[in-house]
Amino acid sequence: SQKIEQNSEALNIQEGKTATLTCNYTNYSPAYLQWYRQDPGRGPVFLLLIRENEKEKRKERLKVTFDTTLKQSLFHITASQPADSATYLCALEGTSGGYQKVTFGTGTKLQVIP
Amino acid sequence: NAGVMQNPRHLVRRRGQEARLRCSPMKGHSHVYWYRQLPEEGLKFMVYLQKENIIDESGMPKERFSAEFPKEGPSILRIQQVVRGDSAAYFCASSPPNPKNIQYFGAGTRLSVL
Repeated sequence: SQKIEQNSEALNIQEGKTATLTCNYTNYSPAYLQWYRQDPGRGPVFLLLIRENEKEKRKERLKVTFDTTLKQSLFHITASQPADSATYLCALEGTSGGYQKVTFGTGTKLQVIP
Repeated sequence: NAGVMQNPRHLVRRRGQEARLRCSPMKGHSHVYWYRQLPEEGLKFMVYLQKENIIDESGMPKERFSAEFPKEGPSILRIQQVVRGDSAAYFCASSPPNPKNIQYFGAGTRLSVL
């Protein structure tokens, strides 16, 4: 069956360091993968999308990699700040019920310690 | 361009009452998704609608739950005869027809069943 795995344990990191979050998947052949941020009490917010033919995508302090051989995406936040503390969700597209369905992982909670 | 609007933000119902959750998608978006989220848990897909059509309701309980997205007006998620287990945050997201992969979320409706 299709599965998306994100580390369910919270990631605690010191301010200024690089945070790296992992998204692994099985039985998907996604054309693209997305990352979202969710703050407590709020809806997720789209951050980045990376296509299967792109190895890496950057946006300001964010970097996403996508390895379709390893079936893994890494999400990096460089020079992390306390304001980066949130839950980060990866989302994958897969064919389901005749349409391209986006499915979300359960998310990893990031805590940046001042 | 206003974002996805959900109302009410908080809804309190007694067991057996009906709950109606509304979602106005972003302007120009014709695809709407409803998700449910329990505290400290991931987003659980419920239903995907396009204008006047239900595309995928595989995540929605067969009984007591219904959803619609009429030609005019907001999308409605309706829960009849609510039970305590229905207490959760319900998020709506919308996406444009093309590309329809990035989802834009509302702030959610927090339903509490007494």
